[in-house]
Amino acid sequence: AQKITQTQPGMFVQEKEAVTLDCTYDTSDQSYGLFWYKQPSSGEMIFLIYQGSYDEQNATEGRYSLNFQKARKSANLVISASQLGDSAMYFCAMRGHAGNNRKLIWGLGTSLAVNP
Amino acid sequence: EAGVAQSPRYKIIEKRQSVAFWCNPISGHATLYWYQQILGQGPKLLIQFQNNGVVDDSQLPKDRFSAERLKGVDSTLKIQPAKLEDSAVYLCASWVGGGGRRGSTDTQYFGPGTRLTVL
Repeated sequence: AQKITQTQPGMFVQEKEAVTLDCTYDTSDQSYGLFWYKQPSSGEMIFLIYQGSYDEQNATEGRYSLNFQKARKSANLVISASQLGDSAMYFCAMRGHAGNNRKLIWGLGTSLAVNP
Repeated sequence: EAGVAQSPRYKIIEKRQSVAFWCNPISGHATLYWYQQILGQGPKLLIQFQNNGVVDDSQLPKDRFSAERLKGVDSTLKIQPAKLEDSAVYLCASWVGGGGRRGSTDTQYFGPGTRLTVL
């Protein structure tokens, strides 16, 4: 069965510093996709970054990068130069690419607080 | 391009009343999802449409929840009658399509959500 684990219920970071949010996953699929979403207190789920299982390079999107370690089944999100607006819940999610595994499986999320 | 639209943003009702939510996906996106997110949890898929057909409704409480996407574009989700435990954020998301494509085209894009409070 597919599973996403986010072991950090809450994280604190000082403004302008970098922070890593952990995500490990379990799947028997050979082909799958990993996603990170940000959810501010307003409730909207904002797509941040995507990593495909066959992608050889770690994904990057502006201040966001994904530290993908396939053998360890981890897909940690790194936010560089944290800003006050980064305070939010962060969800890791996974989707397989075949049959019933095409739906997203979600972690429980990590609450990030950026301190001024 | 315009994002996923949802309305209303907030709704407060009493238990046993009915409520409906509306979603308009990103133009051209064949697949539409409704999620329920209870406070402190990740989203839970309620129903997935591809065009106007249901792909997955295995977690939809069909005794009280219903959803439709008649013309393959916008969709409505209804709860009748509502219970206290239905208090949650209801998220609509869309995805460009199927076919097993990889890459950023796999991404689901979400609307702003509807925060439902049942008293």
